[in-house]
Amino acid sequence: DQQVKQNSPSLSVQEGRISILNCDYTNSMFDYFLWYKKYPAEGPTFLISISSIKDKNEDGRFTVFLNKSAKHLSLHIVPSQPGDSAVYFCAASDEGSQGNLIFGKGTKLSVKP
Amino acid sequence: DVKVTQSSRYLVKRTGEKVFLECVQDMDHENMFWYRQDPGLGLRLIYFSYDVKMKEKGDIPEGYSVSREKKERFSLILESASTNQTSMYLCASSSPGGVETQYFGPGTRLLVL
Repeated sequence: DQQVKQNSPSLSVQEGRISILNCDYTNSMFDYFLWYKKYPAEGPTFLISISSIKDKNEDGRFTVFLNKSAKHLSLHIVPSQPGDSAVYFCAASDEGSQGNLIFGKGTKLSVKP
Repeated sequence: DVKVTQSSRYLVKRTGEKVFLECVQDMDHENMFWYRQDPGLGLRLIYFSYDVKMKEKGDIPEGYSVSREKKERFSLILESASTNQTSMYLCASSSPGGVETQYFGPGTRLLVL
């Protein structure tokens, strides 16, 4: 039973437009959420995170929105660039999990020039 | 800057061989993790460790064991490699104290023939 779901395996966006990657979770105990970006043949790199006490966190072109009532978070990339093409993983954790993260299956983003 | 290194980027082994995957981190992190990544399945946790000599099973520990003799080093062992263990193996580390961002190594792509 997946606790963290990324229902879109892939997303294609034109350069300069907004990319929106979605993530849903089922465990109401999750209180910390992260997004990772992964290029082929490389390890995931941390992108941005959000605590459950916030509903938005912004870092440059990347913004994460959290809707606790809907158990939904999204990553917005504006403007999208070809170098953003990668697989994006959503991850979640709760304070009792001692640092363990539960990952979604990932969404492959393709940004076309 | 956190650095997590893995001993090999690519590895080819034969069925039945004993395989050692090494991971070293240089940030004095207590927590270390081993994942495997397969297409469509995301990142799945194999084993993790909160301290030297300590280990905990993750979601898919069967066919694997681990060793943590030193704080900076976490080894994944495939006792008798099988073809279904062909995968990308990712090591990560984090500092303790609740939820902390995990930092990943570059990954080892293992092919078992």
